Amino acid sequence: DTAVSQTPKYLVTQMGNDKSIKCEQNLGHDTMYWYKQDSKKFLKIMFSYNNKELIINETVPNRFSPKSPDKAHLNLHINSLELGDSAVYFCASSPPWGLGYGYTFGSGTRLTVV
Amino acid sequence: AQKITQTQPGMFVQEKEAVTLDCTYDTSDPSYGLFWYKQPSSGEMIFLIYQGSYDQQNATEGRYSLNFQKARKSANLVISASQLGDSAMYFCAIGKRDSNYQLIWGAGTKLIIKP
Repeated sequence: DTAVSQTPKYLVTQMGNDKSIKCEQNLGHDTMYWYKQDSKKFLKIMFSYNNKELIINETVPNRFSPKSPDKAHLNLHINSLELGDSAVYFCASSPPWGLGYGYTFGSGTRLTVV
Repeated sequence: AQKITQTQPGMFVQEKEAVTLDCTYDTSDPSYGLFWYKQPSSGEMIFLIYQGSYDQQNATEGRYSLNFQKARKSANLVISASQLGDSAMYFCAIGKRDSNYQLIWGAGTKLIIKP
């Protein structure tokens, strides 16, 4: 029973393509996130949704579009992929009862743009 | 704005020794939380330990403890009796104490345990 599941785990694609990464959590959490981890392992938040509502939208190219059909799902669609988009993308979720429980992360999607 | 600094990009430690990973932070919020996560070479992010800014005692979870010095704004992770499986990247993070919190992350420390 995976708490936060992301698919696919690996994604290799050509420049200019459009791709999606899916994320689902079965923890009953209200808030979900997308993070990007670059080649130097730095984690940067991209988006956050609380109960399907966008609450954090960091400076990210508008080629990246998140979609949350319900509070258990948060997908990431990327248009016109560029070489610089190569990274590991993590989905995470957190409970509504505040700090102390941390985020639960998915296993990550390693995106390679060639 | 909140900020996290991890000054040790890499560390080598002999197996069975204790390890201290440094983390300092900067925030103007009186209420915040500090987290440590482990990322082994397999890539997943594993939550280790949490310390709230109002917690009187240092947090402990098994072999992990957090040396919280509020006045110095430091939240060092101590791993006792290190094991080969502790080799990983370790990230410190800070978040505001409300229900929709965004974590701000440090750059990480790569820990390698030598046999």
